[in-house]
Amino acid sequence: GAGVSQSPRYKVTKRGQDVALRCDPISGHVSLYWYRQALGQGPEFLTYFNYEAQQDKSGLPNDRFSAERPEGSISTLTIQRTEQRDSAMYRCASSWGVQETQYFGPGTRLLVL
Amino acid sequence: AQSVTQLGSHVSVSEGALVLLRCNYSSSVPPYLFWYVQYPNQGLQLLLKYTSAATLVKGINGFEAEFKKSETSFHLTKPSAHMSDAAEYFCAVGTSGGYQKVTFGTGTKLQVIP
Repeated sequence: GAGVSQSPRYKVTKRGQDVALRCDPISGHVSLYWYRQALGQGPEFLTYFNYEAQQDKSGLPNDRFSAERPEGSISTLTIQRTEQRDSAMYRCASSWGVQETQYFGPGTRLLVL
Repeated sequence: AQSVTQLGSHVSVSEGALVLLRCNYSSSVPPYLFWYVQYPNQGLQLLLKYTSAATLVKGINGFEAEFKKSETSFHLTKPSAHMSDAAEYFCAVGTSGGYQKVTFGTGTKLQVIP
């Protein structure tokens, strides 16, 4: 079946604008993770969903970042009032269960001008 | 708290030579350990993972890694490098209880010289 998909693949926005990044996990995967990857760094955990419940948001940098997964499938990561320091690759991963292998999407590269 | 350190941000090997990518971890509980590979414009792909079974873990594409608790290491090896192995490799550590909150290293870019 299809893998994890993310859209858009690239997003350029101006400072102060809001952006919404979408993740479509593998069908049937109950666990969903968001990561942020700065240039030259490894992915950094942002938040975790089990079905529709956001069970850990400890990695979200500040209250401008939020995420939802209302029906336990597609998830949206929203960044309000973007800043240049938000520029990074945002990656989504999903897995069958809490201890199962995470499958990563191709990521959304965000550039804030 | 958990962390990983990857020694060497760039590694170059000749085609056919041994590949050795180093990773040391820190974890307060028995860890799960992973190696992921990232090809350009693609998502991270799992190479192999250690989950407290056999200490020598075999993965895809001929890669393997050995868990050494005394050295807190999980180095990735491949006996003979192929051109197609050129990519960025990430070592990662996850918790063995609850969900997998994975902490990644900073990555090692592998260059294979013909």
